[in-house]
Amino acid sequence: DQQVKQNSPSLSVQEGRISILNCDYTNSMFDYFLWYKKYPAEGPTFLISISSIKDKNEDGRFTVFLNKSAKHLSLHIVPSQPGDSAVYFCAASPYTGTASKLTFGTGTRLQVTL
Amino acid sequence: EAGVTQFPSHSVIEKGQTVTLRCDPISGHDNLYWYRRVMGKEIKFLLHFVKESKQDESGMPNNRFLAERTGGTYSTLKVQPAELEDSGVYFCASSHGTDNINYGYTFGSGTRLTVV
Repeated sequence: DQQVKQNSPSLSVQEGRISILNCDYTNSMFDYFLWYKKYPAEGPTFLISISSIKDKNEDGRFTVFLNKSAKHLSLHIVPSQPGDSAVYFCAASPYTGTASKLTFGTGTRLQVTL
Repeated sequence: EAGVTQFPSHSVIEKGQTVTLRCDPISGHDNLYWYRRVMGKEIKFLLHFVKESKQDESGMPNNRFLAERTGGTYSTLKVQPAELEDSGVYFCASSHGTDNINYGYTFGSGTRLTVV
């Protein structure tokens, strides 16, 4: 039973446009959400996170939105750049901080085209 | 600072053989995690060490998997005997354990294990 779902396996966006990656979760105990970016043959790299006490967190071109009632979060990348092409994983934890296990989704492959 | 280092990067073994994966976390990181990704699927938690102690090993698939972290530094994950379904990419990650929500784990590049 997958508790974190990324229903879009892939997404293609033109350079300069907005990329929106979506993630749904089922476990209401999740309190802390993260996005990781992964290039081929590399490990996932932490991108941005959000606590359940917030509904938005922004870091440069990356913004994460959390809708707790809908158990949904999304990652917005504006403007999208070719270097953003990677697999993006949504992850969740019942605890804030980095001392707990994460539950990941299956990933969404983003391709930013010229 | 040096990142999380995993060795080997690739391993191809026959079913029934033994393989040992190694992870060197970032120096000073008390928390060390093992995760696995089977092709196209989610990254799944295997276990979590705090220093040399196993904090959570709820994700270990079965008793063919043995993880150790001697002295609270590097960790090894041994698979014995390996089965075909053990194939995948094994990631190690480490963290300081801070409550600062702006930081996530640091992952290694992974070990791609292929059991044939």
